Amino acid sequence: KQEVTQIPAALSVPEGENLVLNCSFTDSAIYNLQWFRQDPGKGLTSLLLIQSSQREQTSGRLNASLDKSSGRSTLYIAASQPGDSATYLCAVDPRGAQKLVFGQGTRLTINP
Amino acid sequence: DAMVIQNPRYQVTQFGKPVTLSCSQTLNHNVMYWYQQKSSQAPKLLFHYYDKDFNNEADTPDNFQSRRPNTSFCFLDIRSPGLGDAAMYLCATSRFTDTQYFGPGTRLTVL
Repeated sequence: KQEVTQIPAALSVPEGENLVLNCSFTDSAIYNLQWFRQDPGKGLTSLLLIQSSQREQTSGRLNASLDKSSGRSTLYIAASQPGDSATYLCAVDPRGAQKLVFGQGTRLTINP
Repeated sequence: DAMVIQNPRYQVTQFGKPVTLSCSQTLNHNVMYWYQQKSSQAPKLLFHYYDKDFNNEADTPDNFQSRRPNTSFCFLDIRSPGLGDAAMYLCATSRFTDTQYFGPGTRLTVL
């Protein structure tokens, strides 16, 4: 059974810092991995999707990497801003069966 | 611009009183999903439709049902809500196994 873990559960940093969020999964046989953002009381916004054959994806200040063999993904946020404050969730699709397995998320606070 | 729309945004129901949550999409995606997210927990997939094919998760209680009358709409029916069913219910869509797009969610309160 695939399990996804995100550490730390919460992170608080000053504005302008570069930071890394971590995601690990137990079964390396994944189809793809997605990173989402969730603001309090809201739905999820997709940030990046990495296919199993890819090593990384970039969008603006965000860069996500994938290392299937070690069961890890990282989300790198450059030059953090207060508007980046949210919960960040990673999710894996184990077999391309449209069944995302989510981590618990990292609650990120960027202090002005 | 809204692509995945959920109604209502907030729903209050009484213990045991049936409730229906609605999801619609303008993306013409063939896959639609329902997730349950309890406070401070990860979203949990309840079921999904691949086109007209319904796929139920093994641990989804029988109390939860779904209907998809056409490509654009999908409904979540909770036949007899219990206090433990209070949660945020998230609808999502995708084109095959591509990126899933989520709606804003419906927060369900059970009194």
